[in-house]
This record gives sequence, structure tokens and C-alpha cells, in this order.
Amino acid sequence: AQSVAQPEDQVNVAEGNPLTVKCTYSVSGNPYLFWYVQYPNRGLQFLLKYITGDNLVKGSYGFEAEFNKSQTSFHLKKPSALVSDSALYFCAVRDYNYGQNFVFGPGTRLSVLP
Amino acid sequence: SQTIHQWPATLVQPVGSPLSLECTVEGTSNPNLYWYRQAAGRGLQLLFYSVGIGQISSEVPQNLSASRPQDRQFILSSKKLLLSDSGFYLCAYMGGNTIYFGEGSWLTVV
Repeated sequence: AQSVAQPEDQVNVAEGNPLTVKCTYSVSGNPYLFWYVQYPNRGLQFLLKYITGDNLVKGSYGFEAEFNKSQTSFHLKKPSALVSDSALYFCAVRDYNYGQNFVFGPGTRLSVLP
Repeated sequence: SQTIHQWPATLVQPVGSPLSLECTVEGTSNPNLYWYRQAAGRGLQLLFYSVGIGQISSEVPQNLSASRPQDRQFILSSKKLLLSDSGFYLCAYMGGNTIYFGEGSWLTVV
């Protein structure tokens, strides 16, 4: 079975500082990994994905994530946080060998303080 | 380009009333379609997914049902709403190995 953990319920960071939002996953086969952002009362917006290839993936709004197979992690990072990055972030996994379902983590609320 | 539309955006319904939330996708054919529910602004619960017309898979037994009468149309329904059906409902489609979401529908059952 697939599962995703986001160990931090809340992450606080000062504007201009680097940010990291953590994600670990568990799948039986090969993972497809995703990050999404949700602003209040809005749908989820796709940020980036890892399918294959380079372990460092770059996405929208200056975000990037690193796939680490040995640690089964896919942490989201940004070198310099903006106040406008404050939102709810979701990590998701799809096990390519086991169907069409995407499993989402519980979400991490990021607050960037001015 | 592909777009997804979901309506109504907000809905207040009395307990015991019926429900119909509609979702349509443009710019693609035969997409995988999904209904998720998000409670308390946090985790997503997969309710239904569909890989084609008339093909519905239910992930959680509950008071809701889904239908796909046309290739790019996905409908979430209930015959009698419960208070526990309140939440934020999200439709999504899969394109290029990625899932994309609509703007969501807020349902409040009173």
C-alpha cells in the first residue's frame, strides 16, 4: 500500500530565509512524487513532480525538491522564502505499478513571517 | 490547454436534501477523473475515481455516489445529505501523469 507522511504540521520561517517542508513516502514499486500548494478556499495547485531522471526537480515559484530513494524522501525547498509562500503544502505519491490512485499526505502549513 | 470547471462553488443544504456537484474538463479526452473531500482544511480523502464513461470506483463506503455520463463530465451526488457530508469537495483530472484540481465546492449541511 502507498502512504505519505509529512512529519511537520506547521513550519515557520522568516522572510528571506531558506525553507524546507519534509515528505517521506512508502510504495511497493516505483514512485511518482508530487508537491501541491493550497491557498485558503482554493483548489490545490501543482508545484512540481519527480517521475524519473535527475533527483533534483525544479518547479513553479522558485520551489525545488530532491528525491532521495534510500531515505524514501522528497523534501520541498526554496532558497529564500516570501510572505506570499504562506499556504498549505501537500506531498503526494502515485505508485506507477499499482493503478491510478494518488495518495496525499496530511499537509504542512507554512507560515513565512515578515 | 486543459481546464477543469467545478460548480457550484458554495452550497448550503438542509439535512436530508439531495446533492449534485458537477465537474467538467476541457482540452483532453478520456481523462481519469477524481472526487476528493477535504475536511477541516487539511487532509484529502479520495471518494471516487473513474477511468472512463460509466466506470466508477468507490474508495470509501458512504452516503455519496458518483456518475460519469459523458467522457469529460463527473458528477457527485447524494439522495439524502447528512451533517457529516459537510466539507470542501475537489474534482480533479489526470493529465501527463499529474493530477490537476478544480477550484473546489464548499458544502455546508445544516
